[in-house]
Amino acid sequence: AQKITQTQPGMFVQEKEAVTLDCTYDTSDQSYGLFWYKQPSSGEMIFLIYQGSYDEQNATEGRYSLNFQKARKSANLVISASQLGDSAMYFCAMRERNTDKLIFGTGTRLQVFP
Amino acid sequence: DAGITQSPRHKVTETGTPVTLRCHQTENHRYMYWYRQDPGHGLRLIHYSYGVKDTDKGEVSDGYSVSRSKTEDFLLTLESATSSQTSVYFCAIRDRLEQETQYFGPGTRLLVL
Repeated sequence: AQKITQTQPGMFVQEKEAVTLDCTYDTSDQSYGLFWYKQPSSGEMIFLIYQGSYDEQNATEGRYSLNFQKARKSANLVISASQLGDSAMYFCAMRERNTDKLIFGTGTRLQVFP
Repeated sequence: DAGITQSPRHKVTETGTPVTLRCHQTENHRYMYWYRQDPGHGLRLIHYSYGVKDTDKGEVSDGYSVSRSKTEDFLLTLESATSSQTSVYFCAIRDRLEQETQYFGPGTRLLVL
């Protein structure tokens, strides 16, 4: 069965430093997509970045990059130059191409301090 | 902005009463989803829809039903609410231009007493 594992319930990082949020996944499918979402304290779910399983390059979106290691089944989110506004819950999710369902991890709470 | 609204945004109800949550979108997206979010579980899929009158069950569908009579509206109904259905409910759409990504509405906080 598909599964997403986020082993870090909480992370701290100093402003302007980089931080890596871990995500590992389990699937028997060869074609799938990986996502990261941000949920600030206000509650909305904000899409950050997407990586397809056949994409050869790691996805990047501004200060966000996805460190995709297919053989290790990991899809870590890297946030460069952290800002106070990055403090939030971060969720990793996976969608198999032949289904229409997102499977979410339990999230990592990131706190950025000055 | 994917043009998704949810109503109500907050609701308190009593056990055994029916509850309907509405998800409304303005951009003619074909695919719509209902998730619930609970501490320690992340988000879990309840039901989803491929189009008008075309729906299917997700991971945690027991106790929920859905309807989609118009492209723009996807309704989630709790026929007889229970305390275990206290949760935050999110609607999502899949953007037809970016076929992989689901975008979420603002959420509805439901408390069942």
